[in-house]
Amino acid sequence: SQKIEQNSEALNIQEGKTATLTCNYTNYSPAYLQWYRQDPGRGPVFLLLIRENEKEKRKERLKVTFDTTLKQSLFHITASQPADSATYLCALDIYNQGGKLIFGQGTELSVKP
Amino acid sequence: GAVVSQHPSRVICKSGTSVKIECRSLDFQATTMFWYRQFPKQSLMLMATSNEGSKATYEQGVEKDKFLINHASLTLSTLTVTSAHPEDSSFYICSATPAGGRVLTDTQYFGPGTRLTVL
Repeated sequence: SQKIEQNSEALNIQEGKTATLTCNYTNYSPAYLQWYRQDPGRGPVFLLLIRENEKEKRKERLKVTFDTTLKQSLFHITASQPADSATYLCALDIYNQGGKLIFGQGTELSVKP
Repeated sequence: GAVVSQHPSRVICKSGTSVKIECRSLDFQATTMFWYRQFPKQSLMLMATSNEGSKATYEQGVEKDKFLINHASLTLSTLTVTSAHPEDSSFYICSATPAGGRVLTDTQYFGPGTRLTVL
């Protein structure tokens, strides 16, 4: 069956450390993988997109890796800050599906000062 | 750029009434708009995909007669929850994919969501 899974438990880290979130999928062939941030009671905000032929993408303190052999993406936030506390969602964009996104359940990140 | 608005942000209604939610792309034209619902502590579940000028495509298990979608223009889509019941209470979120230009065309830009509570 098709599944997309993220760290199910909340991630608690100390300010300044690197947060690493995992997204694993099975039985999908995504064209792209995207990461979003969602704050409580708000819609998701786009962070990064990585294509199937890209290994790594960076944006400021964010880094995403994409391993299509392992069917896994890792999302890193370096020098984390309390303001980074939120739920982070990964989403797969599947070929020939008209741009539909399949979302993981999200990982809640809490950065303590 | 790439701002999507939703109206209203929250609505409380009585069981049996209909509720309309608007989704607008403010600074870009959207070829496609998507409607999601999200229950507490759960992920976004796609309800339907709508393209301007054509009928929406609903996901399996979503009743098209209950969740009416109208995509009247490249900047506006509406979702009407007809004869709402308490189990329809949820967080409804729309997103839009740009037609092109300076924003990423492979990305969905999300609205802030509408909290629907049916009493």
